[in-house]
Amino acid sequence: ETGVTQSPTHLIKTRGQQVTLRCSSQSGHNTVSWYQQALGQGPQFIFQYYREEENGRGNFPPRFSGLQFPNYSSELNVNALELDDSALYLCASSDGTSGYNEQFFGPGTRLTVL
Amino acid sequence: TQLLEQSPQFLSIQEGENLTVYCNSSSVFSSLQWYRQEPGEGPVLLVTVVTGGEVKKLKRLTFQFGDARKDSSLHITAAQPGDTGLYLCAGAGSARQLTFGSGTQLTVLP
Repeated sequence: ETGVTQSPTHLIKTRGQQVTLRCSSQSGHNTVSWYQQALGQGPQFIFQYYREEENGRGNFPPRFSGLQFPNYSSELNVNALELDDSALYLCASSDGTSGYNEQFFGPGTRLTVL
Repeated sequence: TQLLEQSPQFLSIQEGENLTVYCNSSSVFSSLQWYRQEPGEGPVLLVTVVTGGEVKKLKRLTFQFGDARKDSSLHITAAQPGDTGLYLCAGAGSARQLTFGSGTQLTVLP
């Protein structure tokens, strides 16, 4: 069974640029959630995709957008990067039919905005 | 907005000591999960508690869900250096998202 993978592992961008982060979900999982984790904090929910549709969104501006593909992999896009966007971006996959919403996380992408 | 407060924020203890981490909210959760995260890695699921009053044990770790499903605790007996890490609680509500606490950074000194 393949776990959740994310790419790239590290990324450095400058303010105003755009970035795309990628995630492959765990085998058999049809739901992908994205989280932002600032240093020393718990993860904050960005949005979730279930069967290619957005299925919930946290308190993040529209410049954070996403996609889910037919194979359930996903992308997170961030436009007009700001310094405060520097964080660890985590992707988690889950079985959308599970009532407990147990999520399995990838290793994350560390984004630094200069 | 559902919020989870974890305490303490930092904990540094000697090997062999016991400790308890608390996770509190004013909201009711359908389930509560505990994760452990090491530097440079994503959180790893330790346990899910679902029923009010439920107690689950995972070797030296004991997890309890409050009767009203608003709070939880994690107790570690005879802590070892390998227990060092960031412990996160996360609640699942009516929405499909998880609400995370701010975490407890545990350091176990040999």
